[in-house]
Amino acid sequence: EVQLLESGGGLVQPGGSLRLSCAASGFTFRSYGMSWVRQAPGKGLDWVSKIINTGGTTYYADSVKGRFTISRDNSKNTLYLQMNSLRAEDTAIYYCAKSGPTFSDYYGMDVWGQGTSVTVSS
Amino acid sequence: DIQMTQSPSSVSASVGDRVTITCRASQGISSWLAWYQQKPGKAPKLLIYAASSLQSGVPSRFSGSGSGTDFTLTITSLQPEDFATYYCQQTTSFPRTFGQGTKLEIK
Repeated sequence: EVQLLESGGGLVQPGGSLRLSCAASGFTFRSYGMSWVRQAPGKGLDWVSKIINTGGTTYYADSVKGRFTISRDNSKNTLYLQMNSLRAEDTAIYYCAKSGPTFSDYYGMDVWGQGTSVTVSS
Repeated sequence: DIQMTQSPSSVSASVGDRVTITCRASQGISSWLAWYQQKPGKAPKLLIYAASSLQSGVPSRFSGSGSGTDFTLTITSLQPEDFATYYCQQTTSFPRTFGQGTKLEIK
């Protein structure tokens, strides 16, 4: 069964850091790009970042550029999101999603994790 | 950035009805569009990719159309499990952007 399982969420103070993980199973992880999408409470979907299959290229939303870093370990079938300098507006559920292998997402994001909750508050 | 605008923001319909949701891009995106369904407390689910291609396992009552800047998601013969929020997303450039969502409610 194709599955993504996020972890690492929690409560953090403004200015703090958190690292999210997304463990993949049931597909050839190294063949696909991976993305993070977040959803603030009661709000819509907000694309955060993507990393291509090799890890060699990354893309970010302007709102997180310079503060968040996406990475992956293809030997561990795991995707990461290092979040630094967190702000109240980063409070959201964070989803990882299986994406197109490189620049393209022609086939959309076809597998999603269940999400992990991040709350930034003092 | 490409802005995606969905209409309506919410719609009420009955089981068996046909519903159409519109998504407009601020610039041409060819057929680089996906549609997702999200139910409360759940992760989004891919319904349509490349504007009109049905994702495997998605019922055929869902269909997508359009190209360039104007797109539609149509659901024929609404079923109880279709009441959810629907999002479009452009997949042609970064940052990827979503529409604001359309909430489909039971009348």
